[in-house]
Amino acid sequence: QKEVEQNSGPLSVPEGAIASLNCTYSDRGSQSFFWYRQYSGKSPELIMSIYSNGDKEDGRFTAQLNKASQYVSLLIRDSQPSDSATYLCAVITFTGGGNKLTFGTGTQLKVEL
Amino acid sequence: KAGVTQTPRYLIKTRGQQVTLSCSPISGHRSVSWYQQTPGQGLQFLFEYFSETQRNKGNFPGRFSGRQFSNSRSEMNVSTLELGDSALYLCASSTDADTQYFGPGTRLTVL
Repeated sequence: QKEVEQNSGPLSVPEGAIASLNCTYSDRGSQSFFWYRQYSGKSPELIMSIYSNGDKEDGRFTAQLNKASQYVSLLIRDSQPSDSATYLCAVITFTGGGNKLTFGTGTQLKVEL
Repeated sequence: KAGVTQTPRYLIKTRGQQVTLSCSPISGHRSVSWYQQTPGQGLQFLFEYFSETQRNKGNFPGRFSGRQFSNSRSEMNVSTLELGDSALYLCASSTDADTQYFGPGTRLTVL
């Protein structure tokens, strides 16, 4: 079982719709969760972090965390063509040596006009 | 604050050669992590340095090594390059391997 799992997509949504991206993780001890956006040929850019169960909103983005289900999601409201990118879910686990950030393989999002 | 910088941005090498990549973290950040990204494998963790000490290491062969200097700048070295080492190498900095900020990456092509 992979440590962090995401559907690879592509996920296609029409402009103005809500895009829902999902991620599951295997380590119950994980405490910190992140969503990154990566445009083709570019490096990942941090969108949001979430640490507690529930929702966290930032502009058009909402991150949702459910530690009991080991599930984290990202909602993008009013999707725009500029949101077309690969979205990476990342989870921090605490190892004996320190923190380790593990990424999912990413979900490709396509926002269509 | 200036962001994470990586040099060089692009590199072409031939099999058997070695390469050194450099990363300068955000000022005040003491943790530097390195990742390899390929289309087939996604983002793979190489290693993490904090205050000049390697704290974590991923599942890569010993040809991949790194170090961190007292000013938190980090280098990674790949010896005896193989075709499969062609990838985007990303460096990320953080205060303590928590929220990580990525540099632009070094695109390595091995011929």
